[in-house]
Amino acid sequence: AQSVSQHNHHVILSEAASLELGCNYSYGGTVNLFWYVQYPGQHLQLLLKYFSGDPLVKGIKGFEAEFIKSKFSFNLRKPSVQWSDTAEYFCAVVSSNTGKLIFGQGTTLQVKP
Amino acid sequence: DTEVTQTPKHLVMGMTNKKSLKCEQHMGHRAMYWYKQKAKKPPELMFVYSYEKLSINESVPSRFSPECPNSSLLNLHLHALQPEDSALYLCASSHPGGRASEGYTFGSGTRLTVV
Repeated sequence: AQSVSQHNHHVILSEAASLELGCNYSYGGTVNLFWYVQYPGQHLQLLLKYFSGDPLVKGIKGFEAEFIKSKFSFNLRKPSVQWSDTAEYFCAVVSSNTGKLIFGQGTTLQVKP
Repeated sequence: DTEVTQTPKHLVMGMTNKKSLKCEQHMGHRAMYWYKQKAKKPPELMFVYSYEKLSINESVPSRFSPECPNSSLLNLHLHALQPEDSALYLCASSHPGGRASEGYTFGSGTRLTVV
């Protein structure tokens, strides 16, 4: 069964700092990877997704992620964070067998102004 | 604006009440999902409907009863809930089967409080 792990549970950064959130997935055939963001009190929004092709994926709000197959990783990056990036970030994978969307435990990002 | 609409946004109910959560999507998707999310935790899958038929029940207690009247609507009927069932309930939709990998669209959720 596919699974996702996020190693950073709580990250605190100052504005303009660079961000990298880790995400590793277990091998289970074809992988389709996602990063979702959930701002305080709001619904889940899709930041970016990877299906195939260019392993460097660009998403909304200046976020990007790199798929590294040899490391089973799909880390999220942003060169310069803003206070408005304060949110919960979830890495997720769709199981190629069942179509189920499986989430990692999430990372709470707090950006200090 | 999300294209998956959930009502109500907030619900407070007693342990003896019966209530229903509603979800509507106009994405043309034929798979719909209910997730439960506790604070600071990831969403947990509860039910999956594919082509209006229940395909996955993640061992959810029978006090939660899903219903899919048509391809656009998904309900979650609640009865005799416990305080620990208080959570954000999220509805999502996607293309079914292998096309689910194209991504899910989530609603804004119903924040449920059981008193």
